[in-house]
Amino acid sequence: DAGVIQSPRHEVTEMGQEVTLRCKPISGHDYLFWYRQTMMRGLELLIYFNNNVPIDDSGMPEDRFSAKMPNASFSTLKIQPSEPRDSAVYFCASSLLDNEQFFGPGTRLTVL
Amino acid sequence: RKEVEQDPGPFNVPEGATVAFNCTYSNSASQSFFWYRQDCRKEPKLLMSVYSSGNEDGRFTAQLNRASQYISLLIRDSKLSDSATYLCVATGGYQKVTFGTGTKLQVIP
Repeated sequence: DAGVIQSPRHEVTEMGQEVTLRCKPISGHDYLFWYRQTMMRGLELLIYFNNNVPIDDSGMPEDRFSAKMPNASFSTLKIQPSEPRDSAVYFCASSLLDNEQFFGPGTRLTVL
Repeated sequence: RKEVEQDPGPFNVPEGATVAFNCTYSNSASQSFFWYRQDCRKEPKLLMSVYSSGNEDGRFTAQLNRASQYISLLIRDSKLSDSATYLCVATGGYQKVTFGTGTKLQVIP
């Protein structure tokens, strides 16, 4: 069974460009999480969904960040416009109920 | 104060040693606790859940102290393959999840 799938694995872009990160959760999982990890701040929860509905987006740093989950098998995290301080590894994770979270391999974003 | 705090380390220990990590949490309403392991440039993976009665899985023992609001992880007979960053996690209501920044362990031959 495939785990959580994220794309792209690496993204290099210039400041001001729009960036879209994609995630496919494990089939049957009802929770989906977006995290950002940096050396300075560690792993931060940005937003999470339950049954495709956003439950808590208090971790989203600012209006430049938005996330959607149009169906149970797909979610996006968009940054527009991107800034150098957005450079980080972005993880998507999914879980069933409040059990173990399974993480995707992450997207390594570099904003020049 | 951070919601979940860990000593970042690194902890450098020889093979075969016993090492312990502590993690404190500030939200007394936290309900579930976990230890995750993260290898360099990889995603975090669940190591073990932490139950009120404590739990053991082979060389790993996790304990929860609600009164003092900390969880611990004990690794016995350390192996080179245990080298990684260990993240503690506290989960509150409605799946509010907070990760610690991690403790780096390096097991030395």
